[in-house]
Amino acid sequence: IQMTQSPSSLSASVGDRVTITCRASQTIIYLNWYQVKPGKAPKVLIYAASTLQSGVPSRFSGSGSGTDFTLTISSLQPEDFATYFCQQSNSTLSEYTFGQGTKLEI
Amino acid sequence: EVQLVESGGGLVQPGGSLRLSCAASGFTFSGSWMHWVRQAPGKGLVWVSRINGDGSTTNYSDSVKGRFTISRDNAKNTLYLQMHSLRGDDTAVYYCARQSVRYRFDPWGQGTLVTVSS
Repeated sequence: IQMTQSPSSLSASVGDRVTITCRASQTIIYLNWYQVKPGKAPKVLIYAASTLQSGVPSRFSGSGSGTDFTLTISSLQPEDFATYFCQQSNSTLSEYTFGQGTKLEI
Repeated sequence: EVQLVESGGGLVQPGGSLRLSCAASGFTFSGSWMHWVRQAPGKGLVWVSRINGDGSTTNYSDSVKGRFTISRDNAKNTLYLQMHSLRGDDTAVYYCARQSVRYRFDPWGQGTLVTVSS
């Protein structure tokens, strides 16, 4: 399964609403979103497409099903500038495919 | 606190070997599938390998199959990745991660850098 994430980079300002999309080459069930910052452990934000991970601010939300998914940040905060990855998980096939990433810059 | 801490990275020559470790704490390690994921400089995340709780099932990406071996010591709460025949394209930050409910990876370690260069 191929995961196509867009855009690859995005410039935005504090307070902006931002949407990142992820498209799978075939229908998937488990879609997760991660935030990665240099030198830090990656962090899961959203799992199963739309479930907010405990402790993650409510400005993050996920939606979608089948092949098309989105991550939305409703009002960007300074700490949100990072790189975001989607990931599909298919444990039966031992497939854990990440999107190419979206670098969110000020 | 649920935590993963990797170690063992460093500079190695092409064709060399290295063993990474991932120390787990704060959860029932023996009950968790564990994974290795890597990120080459300026590139995206790529899944490398996984192992089940008792170590009886392992899987690898095609790019490392036959060269890398994942293992675990549940008595020591530690995950390993033995890497042989290292190549330049194996240069990356290597993360360990626990597979949690709904197949999400949580938590992750902070990563350990492997550089393959002469």
